[in-house]
Amino acid sequence: GQQVMQIPQYQHVQEGEDFTTYCNSSTTLSNIQWYKQRPGGHPVFLIQLVKSGEVKKQKRLTFQFGEAKKNSSLHITATQTTDVGTYFCSRSRDNYGQNFVFGPGTRLSVLP
Amino acid sequence: DAGVIQSPRHEVTEMGQEVTLRCKPISGHNSLFWYRQTMMRGLELLIYFNNNVPIDDSGMPEDRFSAKMPNASFSTLKIQPSEPRDSAVYFCASALDRSSYNSPLHFGNGTRLTVT
Repeated sequence: GQQVMQIPQYQHVQEGEDFTTYCNSSTTLSNIQWYKQRPGGHPVFLIQLVKSGEVKKQKRLTFQFGEAKKNSSLHITATQTTDVGTYFCSRSRDNYGQNFVFGPGTRLSVLP
Repeated sequence: DAGVIQSPRHEVTEMGQEVTLRCKPISGHNSLFWYRQTMMRGLELLIYFNNNVPIDDSGMPEDRFSAKMPNASFSTLKIQPSEPRDSAVYFCASALDRSSYNSPLHFGNGTRLTVT
């Protein structure tokens, strides 16, 4: 019940195309975090969403938290080769603590 | 500022040997996490400490795994005896736990463990 699912598992895009990954939970989330892991690297925090319907932007990245706080999305506009990596969403196991569990991730490949 | 420091970066050992992974969290962070990453199982939370006390160890696979945090600046994850299925990348992460806010996790570079 505390797991989060992500789709798609893999995405291959041509440089310049847009990309979206979705994170879904069967239970209401208090908040959700997004991380990026480059090949061979470690997960790096991108953003945290807390409020219902919240939308946050970081340059070409747009993060959204669903109105029911059960899903979230990450959209990248005009992908670049530097966007390559795996994008994870993460939630706390018991919805209040710090014991964050990660979704399976979406692996993005960008073809130049 | 130094980030989370893990050692060793790579460890190759034979089945049955004891393995000890080390982590130094970011100074001032009061939460520490051990994760394991494999292709098959993704990123798994093994154990989480808050103020040096283990809070949630439900992810620890079995009794062969143990973790300690003797002080705020050091933690170990020990596997004894190690098995080939323990081969994975083990990440340590730290965070500043404030009751009203879930702060982001800062990950170390990981230890790539290979058990032959």
